[in-house]
Amino acid sequence: EAEVAQSPRYKITEKSQAVAFWCDPISGHATLYWYRQILGQGPELLVQFQDESVVDDSQLPKDRFSAERLKGVDSTLKIQPAELGDSAMYLCASSLVRGKTSTDTQYFGPGTRLTVL
Amino acid sequence: EDQVTQSPEALRLQEGESSSLNCSYTVSGLRGLFWYRQDPGKGPEFLFTLYSAGEEKEKERLKATLTKKESFLHITAPKPEDSATYLCAHPRGGADGLTFGKGTHLIIQP
Repeated sequence: EAEVAQSPRYKITEKSQAVAFWCDPISGHATLYWYRQILGQGPELLVQFQDESVVDDSQLPKDRFSAERLKGVDSTLKIQPAELGDSAMYLCASSLVRGKTSTDTQYFGPGTRLTVL
Repeated sequence: EDQVTQSPEALRLQEGESSSLNCSYTVSGLRGLFWYRQDPGKGPEFLFTLYSAGEEKEKERLKATLTKKESFLHITAPKPEDSATYLCAHPRGGADGLTFGKGTHLIIQP
């Protein structure tokens, strides 16, 4: 069964350092999402890509976060500089198409657990 | 503002004791109501999508239902392996990114 791949699974960094997370969506999935999940909360959308284009980054803290999906396949999310409040699980999800009247199912990867010291 | 509210926040049941989890939502033009299961330290696992009021879907001991304002996840005769956090979500207005509730943490005791 095809899965969304993420790496690393765990990352510990000191505040003010730069960190990067990688995601490889399910093959053929045009839409890719990055979510952040704080312990005890539901995931919150950071950015959505359709192929290589950003279609929603309204909740991405752009002063320190950046995301790219250069060839419309895998994606990288970067934080620079990391702050203590960035400690969370970073989840990547993908879906087959971007729905107009309904939304296609999003499949999640295992996540990257970030701890900022 | 789109909102998803789940209740209860936590639920402890005995093995075999059936119950229901609630998800209430406020969004105009619902484009899908999603249920996910999440085990500790893992990504959410897709369970169901419901698109219209009156729709029902089943999978093993789980059944999801949808009305115009709420969705319920019914769990029948649960087993300890059903212990997890159950999340519901719907697409944000005008986009496809999901707005999630905080989840219901379900514990099934043997």
